[in-house]
Amino acid sequence: SAVISQKPSRDICQRGTSLTIQCQVDSQVTMMFWYRQQPGQSLTLIATANQGSEATYESGFVIDKFPISRPNLTFSTLTVSNMSPEDSSIYLCSALAGDYNEQFFGPGTRLTVL
Amino acid sequence: QKEVEQNSGPLSVPEGAIASLNCTYSDRGSQSFFWYRQYSGKSPELIMSIYSNGDKEDGRFTAQLNKASQYVSLLIRDSQPSDSATYLCAGSSGGSYIPTFGRGTSLIVHP
Repeated sequence: SAVISQKPSRDICQRGTSLTIQCQVDSQVTMMFWYRQQPGQSLTLIATANQGSEATYESGFVIDKFPISRPNLTFSTLTVSNMSPEDSSIYLCSALAGDYNEQFFGPGTRLTVL
Repeated sequence: QKEVEQNSGPLSVPEGAIASLNCTYSDRGSQSFFWYRQYSGKSPELIMSIYSNGDKEDGRFTAQLNKASQYVSLLIRDSQPSDSATYLCAGSSGGSYIPTFGRGTSLIVHP
């Protein structure tokens, strides 16, 4: 398994500002992901964070709005740029680990944009 | 388009009963299946993985996979109020390690 931590756990931000969320895994992993989850809704994949190359974004998500870094095999950041109230959500980091590529999640970052 | 379907519920069962959660998937190439439990306000927690047809048991949990019928189920025996949560089903194919998640089934275990 993998133990994943995220910072910050929550934040309240003003419209137009940016927030960077950090994700740390306790072991080297090949694949890391960023998800968004609205209250009561399922998970929406934002992007796959690739080590040493640009992230792979899902339909509806763009690099200018959600820039992602992955400097090594244990760490990634997601920035939510030029925020609006519609960006209020829980942002989750995850990683594949183990012999069967099981996906483990961090505790999430609860973002509120005013 | 790969889809994983779950009944959103809520599924309400009395304490001590067996809770049965079901999931169907559209991608016949899916090989790995996962059940996650998510408490309100928390992140998903992996509780079971299954890769072969048949049953896999872990404590009070049994995952069942039927690839011919393209369904996965999770049985929770001796349900406890602490099992009340949303259960997410996910499947991934050999070509992509990115799971496709269902919308989740809300389970309520009442005393």
